[in-house]
Amino acid sequence: DGGITQSPKYLFRKEGQNVTLSCEQNLNHDAMYWYRQDPGQGLRLIYYSQIVNDFQKGDIAEGYSVSREKKESFPLTVTSAQKNPTAFYLCASMRGQSSGANVLTFGAGSRLTVL
Amino acid sequence: QQQVKQSPQSLIVQKGGIPIINCAYENTAFDYFPWYQQFPGKGPALLIAIRPDVSEKKEGRFTISFNKSAKQFSLHIMDSQPGDSATYFCAFGGTSYGKLTFGQGTILTVHP
Repeated sequence: DGGITQSPKYLFRKEGQNVTLSCEQNLNHDAMYWYRQDPGQGLRLIYYSQIVNDFQKGDIAEGYSVSREKKESFPLTVTSAQKNPTAFYLCASMRGQSSGANVLTFGAGSRLTVL
Repeated sequence: QQQVKQSPQSLIVQKGGIPIINCAYENTAFDYFPWYQQFPGKGPALLIAIRPDVSEKKEGRFTISFNKSAKQFSLHIMDSQPGDSATYFCAFGGTSYGKLTFGQGTILTVHP
């Protein structure tokens, strides 16, 4: 079955530590996205990538970094510079804007808790 | 930052009721308005979507109403069921936009 795999599902981190969240897709989608979900604030875009080796900042990129070395993979690093990292992180992919379809397929999410 | 305002924040109805969730947007350049449904501990999934050349779209018990002049769109759930209890997000995007911007979410509870 095609889909998006996020790991780990739950992660605990001490303050001052960097942590990397994994996102892998086998949908052959061109674009990939990272959103952060907090209660009452909806989904806020962190970073997105429309092609390999290229990515753009979203609305809340500060304290985060990404890479897109392969079409299938889009890992997110939450750095120690992120002041409030405890949240539910969602990875998503989209076939590509040139296709005319804007349907996002989401993974099951990773819940990060900073102790 | 593009804005979309979603309301209400939470909604409780009885089984068979018709919950209505509303969204207002600012930028008229967008041409794609989806609704996503999210169950606890899961990622959101596309429920239904509309483009601004139509005023209404139905898929099963779910209907989107679109008011282009008012820059508003809403989700109606007919004959709601307890299994519809979830968080619903409106969003907007476009073929040249390359990403989706989401509303704040509405937590819907349908009592048996």
